[in-house]
Amino acid sequence: GAVVSQHPSWVICKSGTSVKIECRSLDFQATTMFWYRQFPKQSLMLMATSNEGSKATYEQGVEKDKFLINHASLTLSTLTVTSAHPEDSSFYICSAGETGTGNTIYFGEGSWLTVV
Amino acid sequence: QKEVEQNSGPLSVPEGAIASLNCTYSDRGSQSFFWYRQYSGKSPELIMFIYSNGDKEDGRFTAQLNKASQYVSLLIRDSQPSDSATYLCAVFSGYALNFGKGTSLLVTP
Repeated sequence: GAVVSQHPSWVICKSGTSVKIECRSLDFQATTMFWYRQFPKQSLMLMATSNEGSKATYEQGVEKDKFLINHASLTLSTLTVTSAHPEDSSFYICSAGETGTGNTIYFGEGSWLTVV
Repeated sequence: QKEVEQNSGPLSVPEGAIASLNCTYSDRGSQSFFWYRQYSGKSPELIMFIYSNGDKEDGRFTAQLNKASQYVSLLIRDSQPSDSATYLCAVFSGYALNFGKGTSLLVTP
């Protein structure tokens, strides 16, 4: 099946710094990718939809100036957490799908962010 | 608000039994329905998807969809301890996947 790769798998950063997470579709082109956040024992919450060549669409309550999303190519989307704070510590997961029947969507491996 | 509801569990079944996981959704315009399995600390992995009313079988897994009742379920036959995980129901509404909170399944030896 399709593969979505995320990097880094885990990152620790100091409060106030920025960290970038990459999401790549390895064997298909993804015009749309999705970024989710999951706190421990909680469900996945959609943060934003990343659209290739255009601005991301953010869900209500998600600060677009804090969570910068760039989708510069059909295989790469990046999420940058700016001026990170400890409450931003979470599991960030991207997903992308192939077009066609079923609209199957696959997840990256996820990135654990810890802000200290 | 497009809601996806699941019983959080935990659902405990003995090894070899059938585990039945249920999910309801609020958006009648939903197009595709997915079941993901998530182990603690890991990213969700796709088990199967369904988009037509009825049953869809894949190995030990059977997904059932009833759009009129806005209900989708997942049956796991011959449950194994390795099936112990959280099972996430997800509904695609032409925009993005909306997830339920997941049902925790425990298969006891």
